[in-house]
Amino acid sequence: DTEVTQTPKHLVMGMTNKKSLKCEQHMGHRAMYWYKQKAKKPPELMFVYSYEKLSINESVPSRFSPECPNSSLLNLHLHALQPEDSALYLCASSQATAQETQYFGPGTRLLVL
Amino acid sequence: GENVEQHPSTLSVQEGDSAVIKCTYSDSASNYFPWYKQELGKRPQLIIDIRSNVGEKKDQRIAVTLNKTAKHFSLHITETQPEDSAVYFCAASLGGGGADGLTFGKGTHLIIQP
Repeated sequence: DTEVTQTPKHLVMGMTNKKSLKCEQHMGHRAMYWYKQKAKKPPELMFVYSYEKLSINESVPSRFSPECPNSSLLNLHLHALQPEDSALYLCASSQATAQETQYFGPGTRLLVL
Repeated sequence: GENVEQHPSTLSVQEGDSAVIKCTYSDSASNYFPWYKQELGKRPQLIIDIRSNVGEKKDQRIAVTLNKTAKHFSLHITETQPEDSAVYFCAASLGGGGADGLTFGKGTHLIIQP
């Protein structure tokens, strides 16, 4: 399996809802990433997990809470989001050493009402 | 932190001609430079990458050059085809001791005119 999968594909939530985004890979990668991409903009790094431990948090608001329950899974828990958080949320994975190719999932398109 | 500048923002070329996209980066410690292609509504897909110990890399119609002194790298696509139309992103990462996030340029919308 050479793909990163993400669920759901689309998500609409209100500002008081709690929801979770899921990402899965079976390539044996030990690094996983969350990126946020607004329309007509580049992906922006949010979090990096290496060997299931959070190694980079790009000063992301606490209403976004990442979790890496095992080496194949990455979650992003969402709570009390704002309309400006509407975006495409991309997960990626790679080997956990330097200069490794990152493989992206198809993303979850999130709309916050 | 790292800052990656990418030019042009839009590039229109005739089918069969070459396309060149240029990027500069700010952090001299960056040592990994991938290029991604993103079609509308799709995920970014790696098309080629280069590491700091290499000056040039080629894969069929696609080539990337790196000038570490100038902190500059470029993507060259020859014999362009309609399916090359997409947004192209350059990126850079430090990758010092382990996994590192990518800092992307703002993207180039490549349009191939038939």
